[in-house]
Amino acid sequence: AAGVIQSPRHLIKEKRETATLKCYPIPRHDTVYWYQQGPGQDPQFLISFYEKMQSDKGSIPDRFSAQQFSDYHSELNMSSLELGDSALYFCASSTRQGGNTIYFGEGSWLTVV
Amino acid sequence: GQQLNQSPQSMFIQEGEDVSMNCTSSSIFNTWLWYKQDPGEGPVLLIALYKAGELTSNGRLTAQFGITRKDSFLNISASIPSDVGIYFCAGQNSGAGSYQLTFGKGTKLSVIP
Repeated sequence: AAGVIQSPRHLIKEKRETATLKCYPIPRHDTVYWYQQGPGQDPQFLISFYEKMQSDKGSIPDRFSAQQFSDYHSELNMSSLELGDSALYFCASSTRQGGNTIYFGEGSWLTVV
Repeated sequence: GQQLNQSPQSMFIQEGEDVSMNCTSSSIFNTWLWYKQDPGEGPVLLIALYKAGELTSNGRLTAQFGITRKDSFLNISASIPSDVGIYFCAGQNSGAGSYQLTFGKGTKLSVIP
């Protein structure tokens, strides 16, 4: 079965640079979520979109923004990167018709140097 | 905000032994989920629980949704080396269109062959 696809899997950026992560949800899933997981931490919710509209907002820094496009893929844009932004970023998706059970992608490793 | 207390934080067990871990919450959830995460990978859904009192099995895994809706446990029977990883509980509500997950801090399981 198709899963949540994230790209890139790894990226290295310097401080103050910008990074963009992409997410392709499971086909026919209408909701996309972004989570951030620091080393040894549990995933922290950043933001979610339902039918291309922002549906909830968590601990997403003002330097970050995200959107969901007409084909339901989503992008997380991170600007003015800081060392503390180094983390594993997960995209996840669900569908309200499926009980909103959330399935995660394999994650994108961001290292800020 | 809602907090989940997951215990134990880590476990070292002999292959073949049974494992039990649990999560408690200060507030109720509509859904409880259990995920397993390998290093550098995304959380993989193990079991989803949708009703208070529900007891669900998935192979050697059994999980229950507490009657109070504030707790859940996960049991693994006859552990094997590939059970090694970090297990996360997660609570989910559906109020106001928000379906984000609140995670426990995880239980790190080590299996000694």
